[in-house]
Amino acid sequence: EPEVTQTPSHQVTQMGQEVILRCVPISNHLYFYWYRQILGQKVEFLVSFYNNEISEKSEIFDDQFSVERPDGSNFTLKIRSTKLEDSAMYFCASSDTTVGQPQHFGDGTRLSIL
Amino acid sequence: QKEVEQDPGPLSVPEGAIVSLNCTYSNSAFQYFMWYRQYSRKGPELLMYTYSSGNKEDGRFTAQVDKSSKYISLFIRDSQPSDSATYLCAPQGIKAAGNKLTFGGGTRVLVKP
Repeated sequence: EPEVTQTPSHQVTQMGQEVILRCVPISNHLYFYWYRQILGQKVEFLVSFYNNEISEKSEIFDDQFSVERPDGSNFTLKIRSTKLEDSAMYFCASSDTTVGQPQHFGDGTRLSIL
Repeated sequence: QKEVEQDPGPLSVPEGAIVSLNCTYSNSAFQYFMWYRQYSRKGPELLMYTYSSGNKEDGRFTAQVDKSSKYISLFIRDSQPSDSATYLCAPQGIKAAGNKLTFGGGTRVLVKP
């Protein structure tokens, strides 16, 4: 069964550094998403992406964050100048273009900011 | 009022019992309702999704949606220790494809052998 894959599984970064989280969505999906989950809290929406542009973003997704589809298979989340509070699990998801079709998630990248 | 609420649990049941999970929401724009299962340190895994009110069954899982009371349920029959996980409800609006999911905080379930 096709799946969403994310790399790395764990990223440790010094505060203030830039980090790039990578995702390979399911191949025939055209909507891509990033969510995050701070330890012990609920999964929160960050951003959705379609046709090479952001469809929707949350208040969390400020100028510190950016997303990109650098090629036909990868989808990335860049966090500039990381802060301690950016420590969380970051999940990538993808879905096809039919309204109401579910989103499929990867196993996440655990980001630890020191 | 939180947009999507779930009892955090833990809900502890003996193996073979029926697990009953509930979720309430406040946004009447939600039209699609997803249930995900999440194991520790893993991503949400899709279990079921339904549109509008009614019931949907898939194997040991039954999802119910009552839009009039903004109440969603998931039932797991013949529960197994492998069902021990956190269950997340995640409604979605109908505005367009690619709508965000709004997650509840999840209910932790423990199925004891």
